[in-house]
Amino acid sequence: DVKVTQSSRYLVKRTGEKVFLECVQDMDHENMFWYRQDPGLGLRLIYFSYDVKMKEKGDIPEGYSVSREKKERFSLILESASTNQTSMYLCASSWASFDEQYFGPGTRLTVT
Amino acid sequence: QKEVEQDPGPLSVPEGAIVSLNCTYSNSAFQYFMWYRQYSRKGPELLMYTYSSGNKEDGRFTAQVDKSSKYISLFIRDSQPSDSATYLCAMSAAGAQKLVFGQGTRLTINP
Repeated sequence: DVKVTQSSRYLVKRTGEKVFLECVQDMDHENMFWYRQDPGLGLRLIYFSYDVKMKEKGDIPEGYSVSREKKERFSLILESASTNQTSMYLCASSWASFDEQYFGPGTRLTVT
Repeated sequence: QKEVEQDPGPLSVPEGAIVSLNCTYSNSAFQYFMWYRQYSRKGPELLMYTYSSGNKEDGRFTAQVDKSSKYISLFIRDSQPSDSATYLCAMSAAGAQKLVFGQGTRLTINP
Protein backbone atom coordinates (compact mmCIF):
# COMPACT_ATOMS: atom_id res chain seq x y z
CA ASP A 1 0.00 0.00 0.00
CA VAL A 2 1.17 3.48 -0.86
CA LYS A 3 1.72 5.55 2.19
CA VAL A 4 2.05 9.31 2.33
CA THR A 5 2.79 10.76 5.73
CA GLN A 6 2.83 14.34 6.89
CA SER A 7 4.87 15.58 9.81
CA SER A 8 2.03 17.04 11.86
CA ARG A 9 -1.75 16.68 11.97
CA TYR A 10 -2.29 19.98 13.78
CA LEU A 11 0.01 22.97 14.00
CA VAL A 12 -0.40 26.39 15.60
CA LYS A 13 2.07 29.13 14.68
CA ARG A 14 2.36 32.84 15.23
CA THR A 15 2.30 35.49 12.52
CA GLY A 16 5.76 36.02 11.07
CA GLU A 17 7.14 32.61 12.04
CA LYS A 18 8.85 30.40 9.49
CA VAL A 19 6.88 27.18 9.12
CA PHE A 20 8.02 23.85 7.70
CA LEU A 21 5.55 21.19 6.61
CA GLU A 22 7.09 17.88 5.66
CA CYS A 23 5.74 15.09 3.51
CA VAL A 24 7.23 11.64 2.95
CA GLN A 25 6.07 8.95 0.53
CA ASP A 26 7.26 5.36 0.47
CA MET A 27 6.44 4.27 -3.09
CA ASP A 28 9.27 5.81 -5.07
CA HIS A 29 6.88 8.21 -6.82
CA GLU A 30 8.42 10.76 -9.14
CA ASN A 31 5.74 13.38 -8.62
CA MET A 32 4.78 15.16 -5.42
CA PHE A 33 2.27 17.92 -4.79
CA TRP A 34 1.27 20.41 -2.13
CA TYR A 35 -2.32 21.67 -1.90
CA ARG A 36 -4.28 23.80 0.46
CA GLN A 37 -7.96 23.18 1.04
CA ASP A 38 -10.38 25.83 2.23
CA PRO A 39 -14.18 25.74 2.60
CA GLY A 40 -15.84 26.93 -0.58
CA LEU A 41 -12.57 27.01 -2.52
CA GLY A 42 -11.78 23.33 -2.88
CA LEU A 43 -8.25 22.03 -3.42
CA ARG A 44 -5.77 24.56 -4.71
CA LEU A 45 -2.34 23.55 -5.95
CA ILE A 46 0.54 25.44 -4.36
CA TYR A 47 3.64 23.74 -5.79
CA PHE A 48 4.57 20.45 -7.36
CA SER A 49 7.74 18.57 -8.15
CA TYR A 50 8.41 15.98 -10.83
CA ASP A 51 11.95 15.10 -9.77
CA VAL A 52 14.51 15.69 -7.06
CA LYS A 53 15.50 19.35 -6.86
CA MET A 54 12.86 20.22 -9.47
CA LYS A 55 9.82 22.34 -8.64
CA GLU A 56 7.01 24.03 -10.47
CA LYS A 57 4.60 26.71 -9.31
CA GLY A 58 1.01 25.74 -8.99
CA ASP A 59 -1.99 28.05 -8.93
CA ILE A 60 -1.26 29.86 -5.66
CA PRO A 61 2.52 29.85 -4.95
CA GLU A 62 2.71 33.32 -3.38
CA GLY A 63 4.00 33.22 0.19
CA TYR A 64 5.26 29.64 -0.11
CA SER A 65 8.40 27.85 -1.18
CA VAL A 66 9.29 24.17 -1.45
CA SER A 67 12.26 21.89 -1.18
CA ARG A 68 12.87 18.44 -2.58
CA GLU A 69 16.32 17.19 -1.71
CA LYS A 70 15.39 13.52 -1.71
CA LYS A 71 12.92 11.68 -3.89
CA GLU A 72 10.72 10.57 -1.02
CA ARG A 73 10.52 13.91 0.78
CA PHE A 74 8.81 17.16 -0.26
CA SER A 75 8.75 20.10 2.12
CA LEU A 76 6.50 23.15 2.05
CA ILE A 77 7.89 26.32 3.63
CA LEU A 78 5.98 29.36 4.76
CA GLU A 79 8.71 31.98 4.94
CA SER A 80 6.70 34.35 7.14
CA ALA A 81 3.38 32.91 8.19
CA SER A 82 0.31 35.10 7.92
CA THR A 83 -3.23 34.61 9.19
CA ASN A 84 -4.55 34.11 5.66
CA GLN A 85 -2.39 30.97 5.45
CA THR A 86 -4.54 29.29 8.07
CA SER A 87 -5.77 26.24 6.19
CA MET A 88 -5.68 22.49 5.71
CA TYR A 89 -2.51 21.49 3.84
CA LEU A 90 -2.48 18.26 1.87
CA CYS A 91 0.48 16.51 0.31
CA ALA A 92 0.09 13.98 -2.51
CA SER A 93 2.29 11.81 -4.70
CA SER A 94 1.85 9.93 -7.98
CA TRP A 95 3.70 7.76 -10.48
CA ALA A 96 2.86 9.99 -13.43
CA SER A 97 1.87 13.63 -13.21
CA PHE A 98 -1.51 13.00 -14.86
CA ASP A 99 -2.25 9.84 -12.90
CA GLU A 100 -4.04 9.13 -9.64
CA GLN A 101 -2.60 10.86 -6.63
CA TYR A 102 -2.20 9.40 -3.16
CA PHE A 103 -2.85 11.86 -0.39
CA GLY A 104 -1.48 12.23 3.09
CA PRO A 105 -3.76 12.81 6.09
CA GLY A 106 -3.33 16.57 5.99
CA THR A 107 -1.96 19.20 8.35
CA ARG A 108 -4.38 21.69 9.80
CA LEU A 109 -2.35 24.86 10.27
CA THR A 110 -3.59 27.76 12.34
CA VAL A 111 -1.68 31.04 12.23
CA THR A 112 -2.54 33.43 15.04
CA GLN B 1 -15.33 29.65 -16.25
CA LYS B 2 -13.68 26.88 -14.27
CA GLU B 3 -12.20 23.95 -16.15
CA VAL B 4 -14.15 21.55 -13.94
CA GLU B 5 -17.49 22.40 -12.35
CA GLN B 6 -18.95 20.50 -9.42
CA ASP B 7 -21.93 21.47 -7.32
CA PRO B 8 -20.62 21.87 -3.74
CA GLY B 9 -23.96 20.93 -2.20
CA PRO B 10 -24.50 20.17 0.59
CA LEU B 11 -26.56 17.15 -0.41
CA SER B 12 -28.58 15.29 2.21
CA VAL B 13 -30.43 12.04 1.46
CA PRO B 14 -32.03 9.24 3.50
CA GLU B 15 -30.27 5.95 4.03
CA GLY B 16 -30.88 3.51 1.20
CA ALA B 17 -31.38 6.18 -1.46
CA ILE B 18 -29.54 6.23 -4.75
CA VAL B 19 -27.12 9.15 -4.88
CA SER B 20 -25.97 10.85 -8.06
CA LEU B 21 -22.95 13.13 -8.02
CA ASN B 22 -21.84 14.96 -11.14
CA CYS B 23 -19.09 17.04 -12.69
CA THR B 24 -18.91 18.87 -15.98
CA TYR B 25 -15.72 19.92 -17.70
CA SER B 26 -14.63 22.03 -20.63
CA ASN B 27 -11.34 20.47 -21.77
CA SER B 28 -12.01 17.87 -24.46
CA ALA B 29 -8.47 16.50 -24.01
CA PHE B 30 -9.31 15.01 -20.60
CA GLN B 31 -9.03 11.22 -20.70
CA TYR B 32 -8.45 10.17 -17.10
CA PHE B 33 -11.35 10.59 -14.68
CA MET B 34 -11.29 9.96 -10.96
CA TRP B 35 -13.54 10.19 -7.96
CA TYR B 36 -12.07 10.76 -4.52
CA ARG B 37 -13.82 10.43 -1.18
CA GLN B 38 -12.74 12.59 1.71
CA TYR B 39 -13.93 12.02 5.25
CA SER B 40 -13.94 14.90 7.67
CA ARG B 41 -10.42 15.92 8.77
CA LYS B 42 -8.81 13.28 6.55
CA GLY B 43 -7.01 13.30 3.21
CA PRO B 44 -8.87 12.34 0.00
CA GLU B 45 -8.71 8.69 -1.04
CA LEU B 46 -9.25 7.35 -4.53
CA LEU B 47 -12.64 5.73 -4.97
CA MET B 48 -13.03 5.18 -8.71
CA TYR B 49 -10.77 5.59 -11.74
CA THR B 50 -12.01 5.54 -15.33
CA TYR B 51 -10.11 5.92 -18.55
CA SER B 52 -11.92 7.56 -21.45
CA SER B 53 -15.65 6.91 -21.85
CA GLY B 54 -17.93 4.28 -20.40
CA ASN B 55 -19.02 2.85 -17.09
CA LYS B 56 -17.14 1.24 -14.26
CA GLU B 57 -18.75 -0.54 -11.36
CA ASP B 58 -17.31 -1.44 -7.97
CA GLY B 59 -19.77 -2.78 -5.44
CA ARG B 60 -22.35 -0.10 -4.70
CA PHE B 61 -20.46 2.51 -6.72
CA THR B 62 -20.72 3.19 -10.45
CA ALA B 63 -18.70 5.78 -12.35
CA GLN B 64 -19.90 7.01 -15.73
CA VAL B 65 -18.09 9.14 -18.28
CA ASP B 66 -19.83 10.80 -21.21
CA LYS B 67 -17.11 12.50 -23.20
CA SER B 68 -19.51 13.76 -25.85
CA SER B 69 -21.32 15.80 -23.20
CA LYS B 70 -18.19 16.44 -21.10
CA TYR B 71 -20.00 15.05 -18.08
CA ILE B 72 -19.04 12.49 -15.45
CA SER B 73 -21.16 10.93 -12.74
CA LEU B 74 -20.77 8.83 -9.63
CA PHE B 75 -23.75 6.76 -8.48
CA ILE B 76 -24.00 5.29 -5.02
CA ARG B 77 -26.62 2.57 -4.57
CA ASP B 78 -28.13 1.61 -1.20
CA SER B 79 -26.41 4.56 0.42
CA GLN B 80 -25.17 4.14 3.99
CA PRO B 81 -24.41 6.66 6.75
CA SER B 82 -20.75 5.65 6.32
CA ASP B 83 -20.89 7.13 2.81
CA SER B 84 -21.23 10.60 4.35
CA ALA B 85 -18.20 12.47 3.09
CA THR B 86 -17.06 15.02 0.54
CA TYR B 87 -16.71 13.61 -2.96
CA LEU B 88 -14.26 15.23 -5.36
CA CYS B 89 -14.00 14.61 -9.06
CA ALA B 90 -10.60 14.92 -10.73
CA MET B 91 -9.45 14.60 -14.29
CA SER B 92 -6.47 15.03 -16.56
CA ALA B 93 -5.18 14.75 -20.09
CA ALA B 94 -2.41 12.41 -21.17
CA GLY B 95 0.95 13.98 -20.39
CA ALA B 96 -0.57 16.74 -18.27
CA GLN B 97 1.46 18.06 -15.35
CA LYS B 98 -1.33 17.80 -12.85
CA LEU B 99 -4.88 16.79 -12.08
CA VAL B 100 -7.74 19.27 -12.20
CA PHE B 101 -10.11 18.88 -9.27
CA GLY B 102 -13.72 19.83 -8.84
CA GLN B 103 -14.69 21.77 -5.75
CA GLY B 104 -16.15 18.72 -4.06
CA THR B 105 -19.72 17.84 -3.05
CA ARG B 106 -20.49 17.40 0.61
CA LEU B 107 -22.84 14.43 1.06
CA THR B 108 -24.74 13.40 4.18
CA ILE B 109 -26.67 10.12 4.43
CA ASN B 110 -29.29 10.30 7.16
CA PRO B 111 -30.13 7.09 9.10
